[in-house]
Amino acid sequence: TQLLEQSPQFLSIQEGENLTVYCNSSSVFSSLQWYRQEPGEGPVLLVTVVTGGEVKKLKRLTFQFGDARKDSSLHITAAQPGDTGLYLCAGARSSYKLIFGSGTRLLVRP
Amino acid sequence: DVKVTQSSRYLVKRTGEKVFLECVQDMDHENMFWYRQDPGLGLRLIYFSYDVKMKEKGDIPEGYSVSREKKERFSLILESASTNQTSMYLCASRPPGANVLTFGAGSRLTVL
Repeated sequence: TQLLEQSPQFLSIQEGENLTVYCNSSSVFSSLQWYRQEPGEGPVLLVTVVTGGEVKKLKRLTFQFGDARKDSSLHITAAQPGDTGLYLCAGARSSYKLIFGSGTRLLVRP
Repeated sequence: DVKVTQSSRYLVKRTGEKVFLECVQDMDHENMFWYRQDPGLGLRLIYFSYDVKMKEKGDIPEGYSVSREKKERFSLILESASTNQTSMYLCASRPPGANVLTFGAGSRLTVL
């Protein structure tokens, strides 16, 4: 099973900094989702992007779907300690199957 | 809100033991899934079920089986646990027509 490649794998930043997480594949997806998983919990859906080039904002988080629907990025502005967690992208290629990325573990230090 | 409950959060088992992981959802979803999560590998689909008594293999079904006798309950079974099955197991459910998953909190299994 082809994984989505996420980069970076780990990120440790100071509160207030900006960051971008990337999710790349050589395959086209019908939609792409971003989840955040906090320690001891399951992943929780943040956003779904469907259209190539689509940009969605969720407060300080900006999600973009690539024009060719093969890649996506998550940008966080002025990161806060509450943003700490594992960020997972997941691409949809059929009605039921999601292919998950390897994850980016973010630590925001106060 | 949909709730997906995994009753066993932490388990320690010995090699060769039979292990049951239980998952219950309260929103009448047809589709339920079992994933395992390992560092650097993301989430990998073990099995999924699209209705009662219906199941399909995911990407890594070897060493696992599942049971779906009631709509709300989807069980993952390790017939004879092995050390390479030490992992975090995540159950999820999904409403019809939407490819969005609601996950349980996970069951962390250690096989000694």
